[in-house]
Parts: sequence; C-alpha cells; structure tokens
Amino acid sequence: NAGVMQNPRHLVRRRGQEARLRCSPMKGHSHVYWYRQLPEEGLKFMVYLQKENIIDESGMPKERFSAEFPKEGPSILRIQQVVRGDSAAYFCASSPPTGQGGDEQFFGPGTRLTVL
Amino acid sequence: QQPVQSPQAVILREGEDAVINCSSSKALYSVHWYRQKHGEAPVFLMILLKGGEQKGHEKISASFNEKKQQSSLYLTASQLSYSGTYFCGTEKTDYKLSFGAGTTVTVRA
Repeated sequence: NAGVMQNPRHLVRRRGQEARLRCSPMKGHSHVYWYRQLPEEGLKFMVYLQKENIIDESGMPKERFSAEFPKEGPSILRIQQVVRGDSAAYFCASSPPTGQGGDEQFFGPGTRLTVL
Repeated sequence: QQPVQSPQAVILREGEDAVINCSSSKALYSVHWYRQKHGEAPVFLMILLKGGEQKGHEKISASFNEKKQQSSLYLTASQLSYSGTYFCGTEKTDYKLSFGAGTTVTVRA
C-alpha cells in the first residue's frame, strides 16, 4: 500500500512565476491536509479538503494561494506570483474517512519550494 | 492556537530518559506526536484521545492530562535513532492539527 505521494520533491521558481504542488493521498483516504514548514520552524496548517470540497482554509493566505481536491486525480496546492517568502517545505497529509477526530494523519515526503 | 512545547532542546546519552511536554490553553479532543528528522517528513508516533484511548506504533509512551490540557512524551532508554525534532499536534474537534514549535532531541553515543 503506497504511502502519501507528493511531487515534485523539489521545485525552483523565480519571483512572479506559479508553483503547483501535487499530493496523492493514501489509497482509501479521502481527507487531505496541507501544511507549510519554514526553515527551523514547526508545521503550520494551511487547508483541509475532502473530495471536491474545501472544509477549512483558515490557514491559507488570502491572496495568491488556492487548493483543490478534484473527484479524480491528486490534490493541488497552487501558488501564484510566488515571492521569496513562499520558500518553504510544503507537506501534505491524508487520513481515512471515518468522520471522527483523532485519526492519524500520514504525511508525504514534502515539496521543497525555493523562490529565487 | 499553537500549543507550547518544552523544552526546546535536549541532549541525551544513549540509555538516558527524557520527557517532552506539550500544553494547550484550549480544550482538546486529541494530541498527536510526531518525530521529524532533518529534511524528512514527520513520522507518526502516537495519538492520545480524550477519554484515555491511545494509538501508537512505537515503544515510546505518552500521557494526556485532560484537566490540564497537557500531554507528555516519555523517551525511555534512548537510542541513537531517537534523535530528531518532536512535534505535538493538538486537535480540538475539527480535525486540523495545530503544531508546537518542536523539541530537538540529540542522542549521543
């Protein structure tokens, strides 16, 4: 059973370009979470999605950031017009659809975004 | 709101014990513990649920004091492989985790 997959693992963008980060949850998981980690800091929640629904995006910056989890295909975190401050590791996690709290979240390997 | 972890860092020799604490000002449904090695993804260690249920995969123990909204992770007879940064993630009732700033553990031979 493959774990959470993220690609690319490393992404380099110039200021003003767009970054697209992909996350495929574990098989059977329908809940996806995105977290951002700045160097030497903890993980910060960004957004929680279920298939075709954004459940909680309270951690997303108001501008330039968007996320989706379509019926088919991976979840996408999109950052438009990237700035140097967007440089960070972006982790995706998934959990099973039990409908309860207290579920283990399985993390992917992360995408390390560098903005030049 | 972000939970508070202490200490920020600890250095151990192999075989020594350590305790990492995590406290929240909000009522919690569960506390999740993860370990992250440099440049890698966080790896699940344990979940402690309100009511006393625990779910874990490793020989690392933890406790959850619901009255105080505090959790402690116990590293017993530490091994070199225990080195890394430990994060607690607290969950109220809305699934998303709020992570502490982390505790860096260094185990030396």
